[in-house]
Amino acid sequence: QVTLKESGPALVRPTETLTLTCTFSGFSLRRGGVSVNWIRQPPGKALEWLARIDWEGVEFYNSSLMPRLTISEDPPNNQVLLKMTYVDPVDTATYFCARELVTTTGTGYFDSWGLGTLVTVSS
Amino acid sequence: DIQMTQSPSSLSASVGDSVTITCRASQSIGNSLNWYQQKPGQAPKPLIYAASSLLSGVPLRFSGGGSGTDFTLTISSLDPEDFATYYCQQTYSVSMYTFGQGTHLEIK
Repeated sequence: QVTLKESGPALVRPTETLTLTCTFSGFSLRRGGVSVNWIRQPPGKALEWLARIDWEGVEFYNSSLMPRLTISEDPPNNQVLLKMTYVDPVDTATYFCARELVTTTGTGYFDSWGLGTLVTVSS
Repeated sequence: DIQMTQSPSSLSASVGDSVTITCRASQSIGNSLNWYQQKPGQAPKPLIYAASSLLSGVPLRFSGGGSGTDFTLTISSLDPEDFATYYCQQTYSVSMYTFGQGTHLEIK
């Protein structure tokens, strides 16, 4: 059974660095065609893709946020971390991690999601 | 970056109706288009991948179509559990994925 769970601080002060952890089970990030993605959703708003790390450890970022984001993996603990620097109140959102599978046709989709963690940025 | 535009942004329909949601990409994305359903307080649930492939366990009243820049999600004979927000997503640009802005489907 595939599971993912996000964890991190519920409240962060503006200009601080936010670190989120995605702890997963039921799959290996070393399996070809598997990636872990971070997505966020401000209250009442749409989903926004943030970053991805794939089975070869290659990182991809949302171009508008790239300078502030770092995604990394901790294989022994089956975790993927996301760091966001210089947070602002507009970064208040529910942050999700999701597993991506690449299909035999070469397209990928997010087949399993965590429940999400709400992060509020406020002084 | 590839922009995804959904229409309509919101939609009112009755149980038993058939509805179609459209998603347009700012450039051709082949068939690298996925659809998700999200209910309040929940994570998105994948419905369709590769534009038209229905995931296991998803009711057959859901169908997807299109290729290139124009895609559709059709729900035939709406069930009460279908009232939710729907998002399209492109995974064609491997360096940056994008979602549509969502379509809120509510009961009339």
